[in-house]
Amino acid sequence: TQLLEQSPQFLSIQEGENLTVYCNSSSVFSSLQWYRQEPGEGPVLLVTVVTGGEVKKLKRLTFQFGDARKDSSLHITAAQPGDTGLYLCAGARGNTPLVFGKGTRLSVIA
Amino acid sequence: AAGVIQSPRHLIKEKRETATLKCYPIPRHDTVYWYQQGPGQDPQFLISFYEKMQSDKGSIPDRFSAQQFSDYHSELNMSSLELGDSALYFCASSFGQGGGHSGNTIYFGEGSWLTVV
Repeated sequence: TQLLEQSPQFLSIQEGENLTVYCNSSSVFSSLQWYRQEPGEGPVLLVTVVTGGEVKKLKRLTFQFGDARKDSSLHITAAQPGDTGLYLCAGARGNTPLVFGKGTRLSVIA
Repeated sequence: AAGVIQSPRHLIKEKRETATLKCYPIPRHDTVYWYQQGPGQDPQFLISFYEKMQSDKGSIPDRFSAQQFSDYHSELNMSSLELGDSALYFCASSFGQGGGHSGNTIYFGEGSWLTVV
């Protein structure tokens, strides 16, 4: 059973389009982290959200943590080919290690 | 800024051989985590150490062992290797345990590719 469900699993869009990736769970997390991973490389941290309802912006990326701290979303505005990659959400409960979702593989076509 | 350093980056071993992966955490980080990521899979937690003591254990096979040394680096020892052990092994580090607080953000190394033939 996957603790964190990410959707969609695959997404292929044209350059300039907007997109939203979702990370959902029935469990409450004390924090949630979003990573981006290139093939054969380690996950690179994008953001950590901690407070329910929190919104963080990173240039064209907007991250939101649900009020109940069970879900999160990542919105990309005006996607660019450089945004292509695997986006992973990972949640933590207290001092337990991160658990990952299966990821959303994004392809942005020029 | 210094990141998590893993070595070797690539390793090829035969079945039933032994392999050792090394991880050097970000300076002043006291917690190390090991994850295994199979092809097309999400990272699976294996084991973690906090202040040189095992803190959590995940899906680590009995054939694997790990430890954290006095300088906080960690080694993952894998014996009796099987074809199914072929994967990307990540080490991550943080200051403090878990990811429950913004101050305990976890950073990943670039991974060690293990291929068992």
